[in-house]
Amino acid sequence: SQQGEEDPQALSIQEGENATMNCSYKTSINNLQWYRQNSGRGLVHLILIRSNEREKHSGRLRVTLDTSKKSSSLLITASRAADTASYFCATASNFGNEKLTFGTGTRLTIIP
Amino acid sequence: DSGVTQTPKHLITATGQRVTLRCSPRSGDLSVYWYQQSLDQGLQFLIQYYNGEERAKGNILERFSAQQFPDLHSELNLSSLELGDSALYFCASSARDGILSNEQFFGPGTRLTVL
Repeated sequence: SQQGEEDPQALSIQEGENATMNCSYKTSINNLQWYRQNSGRGLVHLILIRSNEREKHSGRLRVTLDTSKKSSSLLITASRAADTASYFCATASNFGNEKLTFGTGTRLTIIP
Repeated sequence: DSGVTQTPKHLITATGQRVTLRCSPRSGDLSVYWYQQSLDQGLQFLIQYYNGEERAKGNILERFSAQQFPDLHSELNLSSLELGDSALYFCASSARDGILSNEQFFGPGTRLTVL
């Protein structure tokens, strides 16, 4: 079963605009991660934010985490055509060798 | 390229058959995870092995089994296949040299089609 939902399910924006995706989860977590998946291919790890962190940046990516609301958001700034992909949040309830529970994903399309 | 390899890329088989999917983790990674991605269930964790031993189990059917060998490669065996088993099966690895990390590196997947 999915840990949570992602919103929106699909998003289309013009190249150069910012894209924001949201993720909600149900149980307490150790960390939350975002992954990207190009069509039908493997997932690529983007960023990890720990439960005691509120915000994290990596290049054009900004992730926030609100554990009181059990939600996270991923912001991609200055979008590029190559950002077209599906984005998944994944939660880990324990540090280390534990499973990741994935959200339902957001399909992002960047229009050139 | 994540460094995780999976074979075969595509597999087409009939209901009732048995198949084996293979995964080679990144060099030095001790943990291997198997996930199933289907349209109706999304990405589901199946099972994890760490250094040859089963570490965690998810929504894995009794018809499915896995193992991790001494050279750390892993195989996922799917038997008595049903139409609903058609999906993308991903392998991921982590814990390079035993250093724990939740970041996982995914292989390109095996697309299984059951006819």
